[in-house]
This record gives sequence, C-alpha cells and structure tokens, in this order.
Amino acid sequence: NAGVTQTPKFRVLKTGQSMTLLCAQDMNHEYMYWYRQDPGMGLRLIHYSVGEGTTAKGEVPDGYNVSRLKKQNFLLGLESAAPSQTSVYFCASSYPWRRAEGYTFGSGTRLTVV
Amino acid sequence: TQLLEQSPQFLSIQEGENLTVYCNSSSVFSSLQWYRQEPGEGPVLLVTVVTGGEVKKLKRLTFQFGDARKDSSLHITAAQPGDTGLYLCAGGQQIQGAQKLVFGQGTRLTINP
Repeated sequence: NAGVTQTPKFRVLKTGQSMTLLCAQDMNHEYMYWYRQDPGMGLRLIHYSVGEGTTAKGEVPDGYNVSRLKKQNFLLGLESAAPSQTSVYFCASSYPWRRAEGYTFGSGTRLTVV
Repeated sequence: TQLLEQSPQFLSIQEGENLTVYCNSSSVFSSLQWYRQEPGEGPVLLVTVVTGGEVKKLKRLTFQFGDARKDSSLHITAAQPGDTGLYLCAGGQQIQGAQKLVFGQGTRLTINP
C-alpha cells in the first residue's frame, strides 16, 4: 500500500533548466494537488485536478504547468527554472470532500535552483 | 494573502505541560483539518471538523471548530516529547466538488523532556 509516491526526492537545477516532478497514487482518488512549502509561508496550492484530463490553477501557478493524462498520475513541470522556485514540493490526493477524509500527501521533492 | 493565521508559530515547553494552538481567519470554511508533519515527510491528517462548535478528541489532543466556522484550536494535555512536530491547520473551500485546502503557516512544537 504505497499511497502517494513522488519522484525524485531531491534535485538541483541550474537557472533556465526544465524538469518534471512525478506523482503517482494507488488509492483511486479522483482529486490530486500540487503544493509548495516554503519557510513561514505554509503550504501554497500550485495546481490541482478534479479528474483525469482536467487541471486548474491554484494560488501560485506562474512558472508551472501540469498534466493529468491518467487518473493515478499528476505531473508538475517547470519549463525554465528560477531561483524563486527553490522549495519543497508536495503532491496530494483525495476523495470528494464530503467524505471528509482529508488529503494523503507524498513525502515531497526538495528542489534547489542555483 | 494568508487566509489562515496560526499562532504561535513556535512553541517550546516542558513535558507534562498543556498547550493550545490557534488557527484564525476572517473567512468561513466548509471544514477545518489539522495535520502533523515530521521532518522530511508530508503532512499526515489528524482530524477533520465540519460542524460549527464541533469538538473532537484524539487521546490527549482536543480539536474545536469555532461556532462561525472561521477559527479552530488544538489543545494538547500533558504534552510528551513524542508530540514534537509541525502542526498545520487547513481550511476547506469547496470548488468544483473538490475540497481545496488553504493552509496556515504552521506551529513548530518542541516538547522538552
């Protein structure tokens, strides 16, 4: 029972490079989310998806793109990395809200942009 | 704009003491969740409260949702070193059937033996 798996766990990028963060869940959750966590800022929503083939912008979407081609996977892309994107990125998934079961989070990807 | 204000942001107390963490907002939420996060890991759900005035207990932890569903508190009785961690509150806003969560900044709790 893996839950939510994120890869990679750590990455260092040079400014201007691109990369994709991978998130996979095995709980058949409809909804998936990408958050970033920065000191003193809490978790901020980047993008989310309410189902396969759908995506929507969150609070801080600029500089990121996402895709949800399969129900179990949610990809976060950085086309041209900037130092301001240095952060810890968390993927999460959930059932519809009325079940009130909360989110299941992955263990995070620590990204440093130099 | 931070919709949820958590206080205090840092708290260091001795084992056996009681403590309360507050989570306040001017916005109304459909639910309020509390998570705990360990270093190098993602947040793990502790509890969800959905009704104004609701109180839930989880062993020595008591969670309360404000009557107007704008604020919440977490009270820990007789704190133990194992309670050390980052505590996050998150308010639920329903959008397109999904519960989009807005997180507070977190309270970093340290319980000293």
